[in-house]
Amino acid sequence: RKEVEQDPGPFNVPEGATVAFNCTYSNSASQSFFWYRQDCRKEPKLLMSVYSSGNEDGRFTAQLNRASQYISLLIRDSKLSDSATYLCVVRYQAGTALIFGKGTTLSVSS
Amino acid sequence: SQTIHQWPATLVQPVGSPLSLECTVEGTSNPNLYWYRQAAGRGLQLLFYSVGIGQISSEVPQNLSASRPQDRQFILSSKKLLLSDSGFYLCAWRRTGDNQPQHFGDGTRLSIL
Repeated sequence: RKEVEQDPGPFNVPEGATVAFNCTYSNSASQSFFWYRQDCRKEPKLLMSVYSSGNEDGRFTAQLNRASQYISLLIRDSKLSDSATYLCVVRYQAGTALIFGKGTTLSVSS
Repeated sequence: SQTIHQWPATLVQPVGSPLSLECTVEGTSNPNLYWYRQAAGRGLQLLFYSVGIGQISSEVPQNLSASRPQDRQFILSSKKLLLSDSGFYLCAWRRTGDNQPQHFGDGTRLSIL
C-alpha cells in the first residue's frame, strides 16, 4: 500500500465551482499534514497546513480525520489561477522528511 | 526572511559525466535539508536528507551522493550519470520542529543524453 494516496484526476471544473480533493495515508503515527500546490514545471509551494480541528484560509478549507487516516481539501469559487497539481503531504515523526502524494491535477476553465 | 537558492536551473549532461548540484539556504541556522527528484509524470521521491553538517541519510540506493560541508549548503553529486538520472531535482529546507513545513528551491531540470 502506498504511503500517501491521491486521486490523480484530472478534475476539470468551470470557474466558480466548488471542488474537493481527498487523500489517505497509511501510517497511523503520522503527525503533520500539509497541502502543497505545484504549477507545471515549477517547484511545490506550501498551500496550507492541516490541523486536527480543520482550518480555513480564504476559499480553501482543509480537514483531517485521524480515525480514517484521511485528509481533504475543499476549494470554493474556483478561479482560473487555481489550475495546478495539489499535493497531499504527511510527516510521520519528528526529524523525518515529508512524504508527498503524487498529486491531484485541477483544471479550471472559463 | 529565509531564502533558498538552487543552481543551475537547467542542465544537459552526457551519460557517464559527473554531476554537482548546489543548494544554499539563507536566513536560518541548522535547517534540515533535503534533495528530492521528480521524474516526468511521477511524484516526488526523497533522495537524501540532512539534519546537520556532515550528517546525510540516504533514502534510496542509487549512483547519487550528497554532502553537507557547511550548515546551509547541500550538494548533490554523481561520479557517472545514467540515463535514468534525468528528472527535476528539488532542494528543500525545513526548520526543526514538529509542524514545520518544507520550502523548496526553484529546482534543476536535468536531462541526460
